[in-house]
Amino acid sequence: EAGVTQFPSHSVIEKGQTVTLRCDPISGHDNLYWYRRVMGKEIKFLLHFVKESKQDESGMPNNRFLAERTGGTYSTLKVQPAELEDSGVYFCASSQWGPTDTQYFGPGTRLTVL
Amino acid sequence: GIQVEQSPPDLILQEGANSTLRCNFSDSVNNLQWFHQNPWGQLINLFYIPSGTKQNGRLSATTVATERYSLLYISSSQTTDSGVYFCAHAGNNRKLIWGLGTSLGVNP
Repeated sequence: EAGVTQFPSHSVIEKGQTVTLRCDPISGHDNLYWYRRVMGKEIKFLLHFVKESKQDESGMPNNRFLAERTGGTYSTLKVQPAELEDSGVYFCASSQWGPTDTQYFGPGTRLTVL
Repeated sequence: GIQVEQSPPDLILQEGANSTLRCNFSDSVNNLQWFHQNPWGQLINLFYIPSGTKQNGRLSATTVATERYSLLYISSSQTTDSGVYFCAHAGNNRKLIWGLGTSLGVNP
């Protein structure tokens, strides 16, 4: 069974540009999460999809961030326009519904905004 | 809100040594997970352990939910155990709240 995959693994862009990150969850997982780790700080929750619906987007930092999960499969996270403080590692995780919400993580996308 | 504190922040071991990592959390637990972030950045699930004790090879974990802490034991450490160990937990809303991690280095 394939794990959570993320693309790209690294992205270097200039301030003001747009970047789109992609996450493919484990097949059959209805829950999809985005998290971010800014250097030196803890990993922070961004948002949670259940299938194609946004269940919780309380962690999204501002309206420059747009997440979608059309069709309830893969998800994209777009940052437009990117700012310096958006640099960090963006993790995606997925889980099944059930009493044990074990979240499985992808390898992350390292975003650097210059 | 929920807070997660991990200790120690950094730890250096000689290969073969044992260690205990601690995670304190400030709220009731519905989901407590331990992760290992390897040197390549990958977050590897170690345990889902909202309560009780589990063991997997040289690793074991214990969560005492009533006292709001969890412990991760690493026995007979190996160089491949190096990396950052995170604990994270969630309430009813499923979003994981993370500690800052324990950075572990195991020397040969």
